[in-house]
Parts: sequence; structure tokens; C-alpha cells
Amino acid sequence: RKEVEQDPGPFNVPEGATVAFNCTYSNSASQSFFWYRQDCRKEPKLLMSVYSSGNEDGRFTAQLNRASQYISLLIRDSKLSDSATYLCVVNEEGFQKLVFGTGTRLLVSP
Amino acid sequence: GAGVSQSPRYKVAKRGQDVALRCDPISGHVSLFWYQQALGQGPEFLTYFQNEAQLDKSGLPSDRFFAERPEGSVSTLKIQRTQQEDSAVYLCASSRDHYSSYNSPLHFGNGTRLTVT
Repeated sequence: RKEVEQDPGPFNVPEGATVAFNCTYSNSASQSFFWYRQDCRKEPKLLMSVYSSGNEDGRFTAQLNRASQYISLLIRDSKLSDSATYLCVVNEEGFQKLVFGTGTRLLVSP
Repeated sequence: GAGVSQSPRYKVAKRGQDVALRCDPISGHVSLFWYQQALGQGPEFLTYFQNEAQLDKSGLPSDRFFAERPEGSVSTLKIQRTQQEDSAVYLCASSRDHYSSYNSPLHFGNGTRLTVT
């Protein structure tokens, strides 16, 4: 079983729609959680950190459920420019490496 | 520098050739990571440096892979006797602190796309 699992998609949504992605992680010792965005043939870029209390950044809301070991990302009012792959990322206290999921591909259409 | 810089951007190698991939991290960043990303997959951890010390190389797939960061800044990932399964994008990332965290996120370079024919 992979340490971080995501539905690869693709999720096809129209502009203006709300879409949500989930991600599960296997290591209960995980301490830090992130969503990265990766455009086609580009490098991953940090979208937002995910805090225990949940956090929001404009149209993006991230939630963490430690008991069930999953992380979610909600995108409201989808834009064409949101089309990308969204990578769920986890690291463990005391370990340096970040562990990436395979990514969820989002396609927003006009 | 403004960001993490990697070179070359593309590399085509014949099976059996040796290759060297370079990473220039953001100036002053302590941590440097190498990741391998196969098509349709997320990045997979290869190795981690804290300054010049290679503290974790658990992700290197074989002894054909070797990484160094001799002066604690520029790093080179070397792959000897390349095989077709080595074809992937190799991503370098750096972070400010001794560890990646909320306050010290990873900044990625744009990667080197290696194709082994």
C-alpha cells in the first residue's frame, strides 16, 4: 500500500463548479501536510499547507482529519486556470523527506 | 538566486552511458532534495542533503545512482550505465531550514527530463 493515496482522476468540471479531492495517508506519525499543484511538464509548486484546524485561501479550503488520516482540498468557483494536477504531500516528524501522492488531475472546461 | 535552477533541461542518453544532472539551489538554503518523477506518477524521494552532508539516500534505486553536494550549495546527481527504466524527470528541491516544514517549504527546480534510448 502506498504511503499517500489519491484518486488519479481526471475530474472534469465546468467553470464555476465546486470540486473536492481527498487523500489518505498511512503513517499516523505524519506531522506536516501540504497540497502542491503541478502544471503539465512543469515543476510542483506549493499551493497551500494543511493545518489541523483547517485553513482557507481564497477559493481554496484545506481540511485535515487525523483520526481518519485523510486530507481534503475544496476548490470553489473553478476557473479554467485551475486545470492542473494536485499533489497531496505528507512528511513525518524527524524525517526530512516529503512523500507525494500520485496526484489528482483536474480539467476545468468552459 | 531567484529560484532553483537545474541543467540540462533535457538529456538523451544511450543505454549504458553515464549522465550527470546539476542543481543550483536557492542561495542560502540548507536542505536539498532529489526526486524522480515517472510519467503519470508523483515525485519519488531519492536523497537528501543538509549542507554538504548526505543524510538520507534511502530512495536511490540502485548503486548506479550517486549524488553529491561537496560545498553545501550546488549538487550533482550522477547515474552510471543508464538503463531504460531510468527515463524520468529528475527534480531538485531546496528548503531554507534543516527540515521541510510549514515554515520552510520545498522550492522545486523545473527538472531534467532524462530519456534513455
